Amino acid sequence: NFMLTQPHSVSESPGKTVAISCTRSSGSIATNYVQWYQQRPGSSPTTVIYDNNQRPSGVPDRFSGSIASSSNSASLTISGLKTEDEADYYCQSFDSSNHGVFGGGTKLTVL
Amino acid sequence: EVQLVESGGDLVQPGGSLRLSCAASGFTFSSYSMNWVRQAPGKGLEWVSYITSSSSTIYYADSVKGRFTISRDNARNSLYLQMNSLRAEDTAVYYCVRTVYGSGRHFDYWGQGTLVTVSS
Repeated sequence: NFMLTQPHSVSESPGKTVAISCTRSSGSIATNYVQWYQQRPGSSPTTVIYDNNQRPSGVPDRFSGSIASSSNSASLTISGLKTEDEADYYCQSFDSSNHGVFGGGTKLTVL
Repeated sequence: EVQLVESGGDLVQPGGSLRLSCAASGFTFSSYSMNWVRQAPGKGLEWVSYITSSSSTIYYADSVKGRFTISRDNARNSLYLQMNSLRAEDTAVYYCVRTVYGSGRHFDYWGQGTLVTVSS
């Protein structure tokens, strides 16, 4: 089985663009789809990206997802940062046993 | 409106048991696979268990296999998690989570969570 590794925290200014990485420890990142969940303080997680790069309805197009085989990682990019984007972000995939695998989470600070 | 409402969280001693419930509404519960996902205080998310719509396929995380049992009652629109031999490291908020299938599958709706505390 594999692990998904995220940076513990990132920070950026309002209006800027930030990318959060999610690196798969073994096996190809392209083998299983990657999702991204946003969790604001005191709230349950919500989906911002699924199937690597798909946005649920209601999620602004400032949020985008991608995968890169060269680095065996997925990325969540948020452009035009707003203070409301400040949250924890988790990447997630499934392993060969159909078990859910989450990254450790990244705390995004918009300052 | 999709709603998932967990209940049953409590303070329990190590080695004890607890049964969590999740009441689903706003969608055809019997058509969806469901999961339990937990989050220890101040920590990240951990997938716990999965059950298909008909209960024909069930998966568990290695950390709970043999101690936890997931089940569902489609007639009651309810999901359950029976937790036995509880340990301090099982202390967490437990979320009831719906699975949706597209090209892949992902978790699209989460409940508000119920807190389980394992302590003497």
